[in-house]
Amino acid sequence: IAGITQAPTSQILAAGRRMTLRCTQDMRHNAMYWYRQDLGLGLRLIHYSNTAGTTGKGEVPDGYSVSRANTDDFPLTLASAVPSQTSVYFCASSPGLAGNEQFFGPGTRLTVL
Amino acid sequence: AQSVTQLGSHVSVSEGALVLLRCNYSSSVPPYLFWYVQYPNQGLQLLLKYTSAATLVKGINGFEAEFKKSETSFHLTKPSAHMSDAAEYFCAVSDRSGATNKLIFGTGTLLAVQP
Repeated sequence: IAGITQAPTSQILAAGRRMTLRCTQDMRHNAMYWYRQDLGLGLRLIHYSNTAGTTGKGEVPDGYSVSRANTDDFPLTLASAVPSQTSVYFCASSPGLAGNEQFFGPGTRLTVL
Repeated sequence: AQSVTQLGSHVSVSEGALVLLRCNYSSSVPPYLFWYVQYPNQGLQLLLKYTSAATLVKGINGFEAEFKKSETSFHLTKPSAHMSDAAEYFCAVSDRSGATNKLIFGTGTLLAVQP
């Protein structure tokens, strides 16, 4: 069982380019999340999805979009990347009920030049 | 709004010494609380969680945390540090009253273990 996979592992991107970070889980979890991790700031929620077909904004949603067409996949898209989006991005999933732990993927290290 | 404060962005202990990582939360209702560990170049892994069953929670790798409502704290401890405990530790809070499971993370504490 893979759990959560993320692709790519790392990416260097020119500013202004479009980029999609992929996230797939095989645990049939209802809820999925995207976080960015920056030094000294911990993890901040970008977008989330409580169930397939629904999405919501987190703490830092600007410049990012998500979709949840099915239970397993939750891609994160940067429509026009900017250097401030340089970060490590983590996808997570959980059964969705309050109090459930979240399971994290290995992360994608993105550098925008 | 809920929040979490981790005191000390860097903590250094000697191997075999007590580990104490501090976490204080702010919430209008008793929250769910979590400690996660992140090893270098990896994702986060759950150490333990508090969901009100017991105030002293035992987790993996010999870690435990005690929920103290009067102090709004959920400090993480381990009696004897091991070199393999060197990692970054995150405290997180989840809203008990909400229908979702969004987590608010602290800024993390980097634990160094000296031989």
